[in-house]
Amino acid sequence: QVQLVQSGAEVKEPGASVKVSCKTSGFTFTGYYLHWVRQAPGQGLEWLGRIDPKTGDTRYSQKFQGRVTITTDTSITTLYMELGRLRSDDTAIYYCARDAKMSADFWGQGALVTVSS
Amino acid sequence: QSALTQPASVSGSPGQSITISCTGTSSDVGAYNYVSWYQQYPGKAPKLILSYVSDRPSGVSNRFSGSKSGNTASLTISGLQAEDEADYYCNSYVTSGTWVFGGGTRLTVL
Repeated sequence: QVQLVQSGAEVKEPGASVKVSCKTSGFTFTGYYLHWVRQAPGQGLEWLGRIDPKTGDTRYSQKFQGRVTITTDTSITTLYMELGRLRSDDTAIYYCARDAKMSADFWGQGALVTVSS
Repeated sequence: QSALTQPASVSGSPGQSITISCTGTSSDVGAYNYVSWYQQYPGKAPKLILSYVSDRPSGVSNRFSGSKSGNTASLTISGLQAEDEADYYCNSYVTSGTWVFGGGTRLTVL
């Protein structure tokens, strides 16, 4: 069965970087785009970007361009999202999701990133 | 890229039908049929309930339906049930090759 299992919660200081992982299984890793979406406390969903694991091609939200990097390691079918220059308003749950027909059909469980001094 | 516009809240009584709108632009909702809808319960990950405007994934109730006209997409839930009380988000592909979500709508079942 399709599974996306994310790394655990992180606490970071302002200005630092965080790297969240998403281990996938149950499907052909290079056959689907993979996305990152975040949700701040009490707020809505916000798209960060996506990657084509087959080619490495990425697309990022203009809001996060230059601050976010999405990568994959196809040997271990794992997706990563690194966000730099963290601010307090980056505190959120970060989700990975698989793309099917330009929709997110399977989601990870989410990883809480807290930015606090 | 601005978020798609959804009503902050809607409500309905059990058995009734409700519709949630999702308004975008000619660069996103109006340009493609790649509009999807998600249901989210508190503390849980979102769940896909409609893709490609109106396609229901396996296991999703046929009480959920979708449509689109111009730059506005809509989610209709018929025969409202208590378990439908949740947050709902629309999402669209954008001409830049990116995605955009709506601000979300809280559905209250009275």
